[in-house]
Amino acid sequence: AQSVTQPDIHITVSEGASLELRCNYSYGATPYLFWYVQSPGQGLQLLLKYFSGDTLVQGIKGFEAEFKRSQSSFNLRKPSVHWSDAAEYFCAVVGDKLVFGAGTILRVKS
Amino acid sequence: DTAVSQTPKYLVTQMGNDKSIKCEQNLGHDTMYWYKQDSKKFLKIMFSYNNKELIINETVPNRFSPKSPDKAHLNLHINSLELGDSAVYFCASSHNRDVQFFGPGTRLTVL
Repeated sequence: AQSVTQPDIHITVSEGASLELRCNYSYGATPYLFWYVQSPGQGLQLLLKYFSGDTLVQGIKGFEAEFKRSQSSFNLRKPSVHWSDAAEYFCAVVGDKLVFGAGTILRVKS
Repeated sequence: DTAVSQTPKYLVTQMGNDKSIKCEQNLGHDTMYWYKQDSKKFLKIMFSYNNKELIINETVPNRFSPKSPDKAHLNLHINSLELGDSAVYFCASSHNRDVQFFGPGTRLTVL
């Protein structure tokens, strides 16, 4: 069965600084990978997805993620964080079902 | 245009009551889901329907019964509500294994 680990429960970055959120997955076949963002009291919004092809994928709001098969990772990055990026971020992998990581709460300090 | 909608947005009820949450999608997707997000924000799938047929049924108590009258709707009925059922319930839809689109969530509080 597939699984996802997000090792960082909370991350705090300064506005304008770069960001990397870590995600490791476990799945026997080629994974379909996703990053979703959830703002307080809101639903989940898709940031980006990886199905195949180019291992560096671009998403909305200036986010990108890199798939590294050798490391079973799909880390999310953003070169310059804005205060509005403060939210909870979920990495997910789909095999027979969509499985989410526990989430990483991003705090942005000004 | 709302892609995946859920009603109600908030639901406060007493233990032992029966309640339903409705979900509708206008994306033309063939697969719909119910997820539960607990107080620690952990998201876990409960059910999945493909073309009105149940394809995923996680270890959910029998008190939870999904109903899919057509491909665009997946409702969740909960009998004999318990305190532990308090959570946010999300509906989602997709085309097969493709991206899942989520509804805004229903916050259920059982008193």
